[in-house]
Amino acid sequence: DAGVTQSPTHLIKTRGQQVTLRCSPKSGHDTVSWYQQALGQGPQFIFQYYEEEERQRGNFPDRFSGHQFPNYSSELNVNALWLGDSALYLCASSSRRAGGSNQPQHFGDGTRLSIL
Amino acid sequence: AQSVAQPEDQVNVAEGNPLTVKCTYSVSGNPYLFWYVQYPNRGLQFLLKYITGDNLVKGSYGFEAEFNKSQTSFHLKKPSALVSDSALYFCAVRDSNRDDKIIFGKGTRLHILP
Repeated sequence: DAGVTQSPTHLIKTRGQQVTLRCSPKSGHDTVSWYQQALGQGPQFIFQYYEEEERQRGNFPDRFSGHQFPNYSSELNVNALWLGDSALYLCASSSRRAGGSNQPQHFGDGTRLSIL
Repeated sequence: AQSVAQPEDQVNVAEGNPLTVKCTYSVSGNPYLFWYVQYPNRGLQFLLKYITGDNLVKGSYGFEAEFNKSQTSFHLKKPSALVSDSALYFCAVRDSNRDDKIIFGKGTRLHILP
């Protein structure tokens, strides 16, 4: 049973570029959340997708956008990259059908994004 | 607004000794509380959760946590530390009145000394 998988594992971009990160949720999960974890910090909630719609959003600018596909996989897009976007981006999945907010999230190993 | 505080950036414990990693929280409704562990270059792994019921919750790898409503705390504990427990630990809270937004603490680095 595959867990949460993220691609790519590492990515290097330059300022002003755009990036797309991908996530496949754990089998049986229907909800995907994205987090940004800066060095030495806890994960910061970006947004969550369920039924192909953004359901909740954290305090991130519109440069951060996402998508969820019918197979529950998800993408995180970041436009106009700047140095401060350098971080580990984590995807987490859960199941609303299994109880939603009282269920733990399952995390992928993340994508390490470096902005030069 | 909901929040989580982990007051210690780092905790050092000798192998075999009991360990405690502290966490306090603030939510408007009833809290759903979680502990996660992160090893280098990896994602977060779920350890245990408190939703309702017994205040002492047992989880993976011999860890347990005690929910204290009056002190709004959810400290992580283990009776006998192992060197392999060395990692970064995150406490997280979700407000039962708010659907699915989870807030993480800044993390506590646990060093188990051989």
